[in-house]
Amino acid sequence: NAGVTQTPKFQVLKTGQSMTLQCAQDMNHEYMSWYRQDPGMGLRLIHYSVGAGITDQGEVPNGYNVSRSTTEDFPLRLLSAAPSQTSVYFCASSYQWLAETGELFFGEGSRLTVL
Amino acid sequence: KNEVEQSPQNLTAQEGEFITINCSYSVGISALHWLQQHPGGGIVSLFMLSSGKKKHGRLIATINIQEKHSSLHITASHPRDSAVYICAASGGGADGLTFGKGTHLIIQP
Repeated sequence: NAGVTQTPKFQVLKTGQSMTLQCAQDMNHEYMSWYRQDPGMGLRLIHYSVGAGITDQGEVPNGYNVSRSTTEDFPLRLLSAAPSQTSVYFCASSYQWLAETGELFFGEGSRLTVL
Repeated sequence: KNEVEQSPQNLTAQEGEFITINCSYSVGISALHWLQQHPGGGIVSLFMLSSGKKKHGRLIATINIQEKHSSLHITASHPRDSAVYICAASGGGADGLTFGKGTHLIIQP
């Protein structure tokens, strides 16, 4: 199994540009989520989904958009990139929607730099 | 919002030493996760526990619900154990994970 696949691994953007981080899982997981990891801080939840067609905001959703049209895919869109969005982004999935009852599977991460 | 504190922030030890990393949280939880992140790499789930103790190879995780505290132990540590170890507390619900800042462990040969 491929697990959780994130693309791209690295991206440099200019302020104001838009882009999409792709996340796909092949484990038929209901729960998918996006986190950002910044130096000196714990992982912070951006958006999450408990199933196809259902998304919700996490702790730091501003400037990001998500959709979940299929069980497998959960793309994260940056609408108008800002330097504050420079970070490492992780996608994670879990079999059951309640995070506490399911092991989390993470992607390899996407390092984004906004100039 | 749950506050999750890990200690120590940084730990350097010699190969073979017994390692303990601590995690405390402020609000009652449903489960606690321990994760491992290698330098420049992805994040791997080590344990998810809601009570008692779990063991996998040289890794042992314990949790004390009453004291709101969990520990991750590594026996017979090896340089390949060098990584950042992260605990995450789940208070319930799909948005309920709060992460600690991580413990940076270096095992010297």
